[in-house]
Amino acid sequence: KQEVTQIPAALSVPEGENLVLNCSFTDSAIYNLQWFRQDPGKGLTSLLLIQSSQREQTSGRLNASLDKSSGRSTLYIAASQPGDSATYLCAVAIVGGATNKLIFGTGTLLAVQP
Amino acid sequence: DAGITQSPRYKITETGRQVTLMCHQTWSHSYMFWYRQDLGHGLRLIYYSAAADITDKGEVPDGYVVSRSKTENFPLTLESATRSQTSVYFCASSARTGDYEQYFGPGTRLTVT
Repeated sequence: KQEVTQIPAALSVPEGENLVLNCSFTDSAIYNLQWFRQDPGKGLTSLLLIQSSQREQTSGRLNASLDKSSGRSTLYIAASQPGDSATYLCAVAIVGGATNKLIFGTGTLLAVQP
Repeated sequence: DAGITQSPRYKITETGRQVTLMCHQTWSHSYMFWYRQDLGHGLRLIYYSAAADITDKGEVPDGYVVSRSKTENFPLTLESATRSQTSVYFCASSARTGDYEQYFGPGTRLTVT
């Protein structure tokens, strides 16, 4: 059974710092890995999707890497800002039935202090 | 462009009542999903649908019923609500399967008393 773990569960950093969020998964047979952002009381916003054949994806100050063989992904946030404060979730897409299914980690709560 | 919407956003109901959560998307996406989010468990898939009139169970389907008569709508019904179904429910959609993103609605916070 695929399990997704995110470490740390919570992180507090000063503004301007570069930071790394970690995601690990137990089964390397995935279609893709997706990083989401969730603001308090809100839905999920997709940040980056890394296909199984890719090693990394970049969007602005965000860079996500994927190492399927070791079952790991990292989300790198450069020059963090208070507006980056949110919960960050990773999810892996696995094969099942008529479509891929997303298996989520429990998230990392990020606080960027001004 | 409304995207994906859910209603109601907040709902309080009593144990044993039937309650329906609505999900509507304007993209004509084929695939739609229902998740629940609970502390300590993250998001878990309840049901999904690959097209109109095609639905299948996810990880935690017990106590829930879905239907999909139209591509744009995917309602989730709790036939007899229990306190363990108190949760935040998210609907999502995806254009295709494979390497395609899922887009999420704003969620419905359901409390069963």
